Amino acid sequence: DAGVTQSPTHLIKTRGQQVTLRCSPKSGHDTVSWYQQALGQGPQFIFQYYEEEERQRGNFPDRFSGHQFPNYSSELNVNALLLGDSALYLCASLPVGHHDYTFGSGTRLTVV
Amino acid sequence: GQQLNQSPQSMFIQEGEDVSMNCTSSSIFNTWLWYKQDPGEGPVLLIALYKAGELTSNGRLTAQFGITRKDSFLNISASIPSDVGIYFCAGQLLTGANSKLTFGKGITLSVRP
Repeated sequence: DAGVTQSPTHLIKTRGQQVTLRCSPKSGHDTVSWYQQALGQGPQFIFQYYEEEERQRGNFPDRFSGHQFPNYSSELNVNALLLGDSALYLCASLPVGHHDYTFGSGTRLTVV
Repeated sequence: GQQLNQSPQSMFIQEGEDVSMNCTSSSIFNTWLWYKQDPGEGPVLLIALYKAGELTSNGRLTAQFGITRKDSFLNISASIPSDVGIYFCAGQLLTGANSKLTFGKGITLSVRP
């Protein structure tokens, strides 16, 4: 049983560029959340998607946007990249009616 | 954004020793969770606590949900080398559609053989 899968695993982008990160939730999970983990910090909540809509958002600028598809997979888009956007981006999924997240291994984004 | 308080940043123990980690918050949560993160991986859930005062064990791990709902601790007994990693506490305030996790900065545990 595949867990949460994220792609790509690593990515290097230049300041000002745009990036799209992808997440496939665990089988049976319908809710997807995204977290940003800077080096030496705990994960910070970006937003959560359920039924293809953004349901909850953390303190992140509008440059961070997302999407959820009918098959529950999700994308995280970041526009106008800043050096400070360099981090591990984690996707986590929830099963229907539960609150125990399963995390993916993350995408390591480096902005140069 | 808000983060829970975990300290110290690093802990060094001898194999076989017990270790205790605390986590505090200025806000109330109705669920506390403890995660472990290995290098290059996402956090893995160790223990979830759902009720104030609850004490829960998972093998050599024991965790408690503080009575005030603003703190939790995790104990690891008889440590082994594979306990090495970063331990995060996380609080969750489940209200309606709200289920986001608020994490601490993590404690890096090193176990000397």
